[in-house]
Amino acid sequence: ILNVEQSPQSLHVQEGDSTNFTCSFPSSNFYALHWYRWETAKSPEALFVMTLNGDEKKKGRISATLNTKEGYSYLYIKGSQPEDSATYLCAYLYNFNKFYFGSGTKLNVKP
Amino acid sequence: DAGVIQSPRHEVTEMGQEVTLRCKPISGHNSLFWYRQTMMRGLELLIYFNNNVPIDDSGMPEDRFSAKMPNASFSTLKIQPSEPRDSAVYFCASSFVSGSSYEQYFGPGTRLTVT
Repeated sequence: ILNVEQSPQSLHVQEGDSTNFTCSFPSSNFYALHWYRWETAKSPEALFVMTLNGDEKKKGRISATLNTKEGYSYLYIKGSQPEDSATYLCAYLYNFNKFYFGSGTKLNVKP
Repeated sequence: DAGVIQSPRHEVTEMGQEVTLRCKPISGHNSLFWYRQTMMRGLELLIYFNNNVPIDDSGMPEDRFSAKMPNASFSTLKIQPSEPRDSAVYFCASSFVSGSSYEQYFGPGTRLTVT
């Protein structure tokens, strides 16, 4: 079992704050790194699929970076809104078909 | 497309009973994944099918668990006999796998309670 770690475990911010969290993964046999957004009582939804070292992806106020050599990815949210409240999961794709999920960062944005 | 469809959404059964969970992937997707989510272990991959063939079932916890994909539009995950520790939310996800860049689309999950 490979170790995929996310930090922090939970985060409470005020509306309008910018925030970021980390996903750490093994740097060997890297195929891809996925970010998912998981709202309570719903199922995970894909945010980003990142494959190349130095990748930067952006979707609205959310962006992510990838460093495969050192084994980490950052997810940034600019100007957090209450609707951003969710658990953000990263998943490390090892050896093409094996996904290892982190335990998630639970974000709560207070109005 | 309706997305990934799972049934039932909730299942309550007694220990020792057989449980069958069902999944219909998104049409055109060639890969299907079964996951289990628990408080203790988070989201774990149980088994992965590509073109209806099981590629990796190393995540299946034990022989009581089995999964089939008889065709491109249907898969089952069976637990026989069920035990209380099998209580969890089981997610099915599908994807079109081409290269290493592919998104998974998750179903709504089946919440299983074994008493």
